[in-house]
Amino acid sequence: EAGVAQSPRYKIIEKRQSVAFWCNPISGHATLYWYQQILGQGPKLLIQFQNNGVVDDSQLPKDRFSAERLKGVDSTLKIQPAKLEDSAVYLCASSSVLGGLETQYFGPGTRLLVL
Amino acid sequence: AQTVTQSQPEMSVQEAETVTLSCTYDTSESNYYLFWYKQPPSRQMILVIRQEAYKQQNATENRFSVNFQKAAKSFSLKISDSQLGDTAMYFCAEGAQKLVFGQGTRLTINP
Repeated sequence: EAGVAQSPRYKIIEKRQSVAFWCNPISGHATLYWYQQILGQGPKLLIQFQNNGVVDDSQLPKDRFSAERLKGVDSTLKIQPAKLEDSAVYLCASSSVLGGLETQYFGPGTRLLVL
Repeated sequence: AQTVTQSQPEMSVQEAETVTLSCTYDTSESNYYLFWYKQPPSRQMILVIRQEAYKQQNATENRFSVNFQKAAKSFSLKISDSQLGDTAMYFCAEGAQKLVFGQGTRLTINP
């Protein structure tokens, strides 16, 4: 079974530029998550999708971040304009119910550096 | 609000030793789940072990086991017969769907 795919793996941009990240979840997983992991910290949830609907985006900085999941499969996360403090690894995860317990599986992440 | 605390930023043990990583949490949910994830330097987050809060029996997965103390809101991870490949960041997480992660513990296994 293929895992969660993310691209690009690395991105360097200057502040005020725009950037987009792509995620392809595990086939059949209805729930998709985007997390932000700042260096030295644990991941923090940005947004959760159930199929193509948003379940939780309470921690998404909506003035500059946007995300969509068209057709309930792939998802993109966009930052416009980027700030220095957006430098982080952006992790995508998808989940299924395994043994009666919902379990999240993570992609390799996209490491963003904003200069 | 959900919070997860890992009080050990770094730990280091010799290969084959047993090591225990600590985690405490706080939640207002009655039905929740607890997880330990491993993140090697490659940064792929890998599930190590999981525990349903309503189950009294501690979860085990080969060399990995947990000590779940619900009243104390404690969820520690024990790694037995540690191996060099266990070197990684370990994150404790709590939640039903949305996960809240701790700050992580950097574990180094020395040869």
